[in-house]
Amino acid sequence: GAVVSQHPSWVICKSGTSVKIECRSLDFQATTMFWYRQFPKQSLMLMATSNEGSKATYEQGVEKDKFLINHASLTLSTLTVTSAHPEDSSFYICSAAGLAGLKTQYFGPGTRLLVL
Amino acid sequence: GENVEQHPSTLSVQEGDSAVIKCTYSDSASNYFPWYKQELGKGPQLIIDIRSNVGEKKDQRIAVTLNKTAKHFSLHITETQPEDSAVYFCAASRGRDDKIIFGKGTRLHILP
Repeated sequence: GAVVSQHPSWVICKSGTSVKIECRSLDFQATTMFWYRQFPKQSLMLMATSNEGSKATYEQGVEKDKFLINHASLTLSTLTVTSAHPEDSSFYICSAAGLAGLKTQYFGPGTRLLVL
Repeated sequence: GENVEQHPSTLSVQEGDSAVIKCTYSDSASNYFPWYKQELGKGPQLIIDIRSNVGEKKDQRIAVTLNKTAKHFSLHITETQPEDSAVYFCAASRGRDDKIIFGKGTRLHILP
């Protein structure tokens, strides 16, 4: 149980374009979803926390206008990287937490973004 | 805020031997400690977790111990196999609705 999917698994885009990444909880209702960013050989860095139906809470240093997060339903959250630049290239991972509380997070497989 | 330190950053063990990864945390209010395994190009997978009212938990070849007084917890993998090669992250969380703080990870290599 507790499967989380992400789409796309990888994406290449030109500098200046926007990219949308989807995160879905397939077999449970996710009251809260998290978005992380991971650079090569480094740990996960929490970008933002989103609760269904409300605005996301961004971590310090993360630009909310750059990384738009929408959590419109209990099974879907999206991260849009607006006006992407090469420094936004990274591995983006979402996780979802349900009724068991935020501690029990289940991670998606990640999306690798390369901005040219 | 919470700070999680993880050691070692890299660990190589012979196949069949045991591997131990250690973590310390700073916030005495933390009460949930999950461990994640991340294979190359994939998202982290929860492999075992422990809550502060328990000192040890075991699941087949994997065990986790927690010392609340010293604020450290460890992951033990016995009879290591090639498929155990991955990056392992420890983490800590204070409460039901609190975010998880990750350690920097340990890259485990199982040598043939």
